[in-house]
Amino acid sequence: GAGVSQSPSNKVTEKGKDVELRCDPISGHTALYWYRQSLGQGLEFLIYFQGNSAPDKSGLPSDRFSAERTGGSVSTLTIQRTQQEDSAVYLCASSLRLLSGYTFGSGTRLTVV
Amino acid sequence: AQSVSQHNHHVILSEAASLELGCNYSYGGTVNLFWYVQYPGQHLQLLLKYFSGDPLVKGIKGFEAEFIKSKFSFNLRKPSVQWSDTAEYFCAVNANVGGSQGNLIFGKGTKLSVKP
Repeated sequence: GAGVSQSPSNKVTEKGKDVELRCDPISGHTALYWYRQSLGQGLEFLIYFQGNSAPDKSGLPSDRFSAERTGGSVSTLTIQRTQQEDSAVYLCASSLRLLSGYTFGSGTRLTVV
Repeated sequence: AQSVSQHNHHVILSEAASLELGCNYSYGGTVNLFWYVQYPGQHLQLLLKYFSGDPLVKGIKGFEAEFIKSKFSFNLRKPSVQWSDTAEYFCAVNANVGGSQGNLIFGKGTKLSVKP
């Protein structure tokens, strides 16, 4: 597609439920990144994919968070047993190569009530 | 661990004033440096980037940034701001160079408000 597409744009969920966030990167971009943006906290790195593999999972906050990428394209970030502190905007970005920088999606605003 | 510091949380300027937003990073080796901008209600967009060569980098919309290696800094500047520059600005650094596509480390952002 023309840009990085994320869905849903907004998600309200009850504490304890599982949620899935989807990212569809720009076609041909081999690298895909997930970040979390909380008010006043900037962007927190979560995980990065090169193709279908995730060389760097160091940013995942807990084992409730997982992500996968299939076919070198779409990625899903799953949060199990959501907590109120998981409320944030989850951003996905993709890049063809580092020299191009990232292209970000519009994000998914997650609210845990 | 690598980190990026943006010392100004919120900057308020009048139109036509000059802008300088500070950015410092902690990494002693080769770095790639970026500034991103997020306009209200929009997604993050790349403003400019530095990889090598001339340490004075020019980006879109009249913005520029200067890489000063000895000061570990990459400050963003604009000679004369406009109301439309109201946005949040993020500095980012990548230290996983050598062909890898490691993640960017972002600062906490600086909110710029320009009064008309």
